[in-house]
Amino acid sequence: EVQLVESGGGLVKPGGSLRLSCAASGFTLSNTYMNWVRQAPGGGLEWVGLIKNNADRGTTVYAAPVKGRFTISRDDSRNTLYLQMNSLETGDTAVYYCVTEGVGTFNIWGQGTMVTVSS
Amino acid sequence: QSALTQPPSASGSPGQSVSISCTGTSSDVGGYNYVSWYQQHPGKAPKLLIYDVTKRPSGVPDRFSGFKSGNTASLTVSGLQADDEADYYCSSYTGNTNRLYVFGTGTTVTVL
Repeated sequence: EVQLVESGGGLVKPGGSLRLSCAASGFTLSNTYMNWVRQAPGGGLEWVGLIKNNADRGTTVYAAPVKGRFTISRDDSRNTLYLQMNSLETGDTAVYYCVTEGVGTFNIWGQGTMVTVSS
Repeated sequence: QSALTQPPSASGSPGQSVSISCTGTSSDVGGYNYVSWYQQHPGKAPKLLIYDVTKRPSGVPDRFSGFKSGNTASLTVSGLQADDEADYYCSSYTGNTNRLYVFGTGTTVTVL
């Protein structure tokens, strides 16, 4: 069974850093385009960024609001996806989901992990 | 580039049909056949319902159907059931690397 389990969320002060993890099972991360999508409390969904599969050299693409602050990476030996978040702002408060991507669509979603940026 | 526009709410009685619109621009919905729809129950992760405008993943009932005309896509839920009460979001590929995907504003469906 394909499964994604996020972890690493929590409370952090503005300007701080946090690293989220997404452990994958039932498939090989390195063969798959993987995305992070977030959802602010009571709000809608927002695409954060993606990492392409190894065939496409693991290239990363980021949404403008997080470019330069967030970094997506992958540990193939652990079949785990990461989201390193630096210079966090209150507007980054959200549930963060890791999601597999088919062509132009988001197939499998993790359960999400909550990140709260507050002083 | 704003979120795709959806009506905030929609409702119907059990057995009836409800349709939700998703309006974008020629740079997203109108420019690509990569429109998807997701269902989200409270406190849960979204679930894929429709992809490539009209296609259903295995396991999704044929009560859910998608359509697109110009810059507007739509999701129809036929034969409404109590479990269909949820939030629904559309999304579209944009080709813009600053915002590769855009989501809709979300629609809350109530089963009366």
